[in-house]
Amino acid sequence: DQQVKQNSPSLSVQEGRISILNCDYTNSMFDYFLWYKKYPAEGPTFLISISSIKDKNEDGRFTVFLNKSAKHLSLHIVPSQPGDSAVYFCAASAGNTGGFKTIFGAGTRLFVKA
Amino acid sequence: DTGVSQDPRHKITKRGQNVTFRCDPISEHNRLYWYRQTLGQGPEFLTYFQNEAQLEKSRLLSDRFSAERPKGSFSTLEIQRTEQGDSAMYLCASSSTGVGKNTEAFFGQGTRLTVV
Repeated sequence: DQQVKQNSPSLSVQEGRISILNCDYTNSMFDYFLWYKKYPAEGPTFLISISSIKDKNEDGRFTVFLNKSAKHLSLHIVPSQPGDSAVYFCAASAGNTGGFKTIFGAGTRLFVKA
Repeated sequence: DTGVSQDPRHKITKRGQNVTFRCDPISEHNRLYWYRQTLGQGPEFLTYFQNEAQLEKSRLLSDRFSAERPKGSFSTLEIQRTEQGDSAMYLCASSSTGVGKNTEAFFGQGTRLTVV
């Protein structure tokens, strides 16, 4: 039972353009959502998060959008840079649990071409 | 303290042997987690400590797996009688408690286990 789904295993984008990574979830109890970035041979690195009381959170080039009715969130990277090439994991948790029982998607590998 | 540290980074072991991994969390973090990640998948939750208390274990954690955090600081994850299916990246993460808010977990670089 995949509660967090990232249906695109990979995405290729030209440098300078927008990257949009999508994520769907099934558990309506999730109220906190996170994006992590992972480079090869490293652990995931926290990127940005959003609480269910918001529908948008922005941090520099990264913006996360949350559509609760559709149980969908997306990560926008503008402009995309070659250094953004990595695997991006969407994650979700319920309640004040921090990383406890945070459920991760399978990841989307982003390639940013120079 | 620069982050979560895991040791060793890589471990190759023969099937049936026992292995132990260590995790040193960020010093002010009282929560510590172990995750397992296999190829093409995201991290899967294994177990969680708040200070020295192990508060939750996933059903993924069979009886061959045991985790400890004796003094509420570093943690160890031991796998007894390893099987080839145990081959994976074992990730440790830590976070601090936030009253009324979620806090993200910070991950270590992981220990890659290969059982041959």
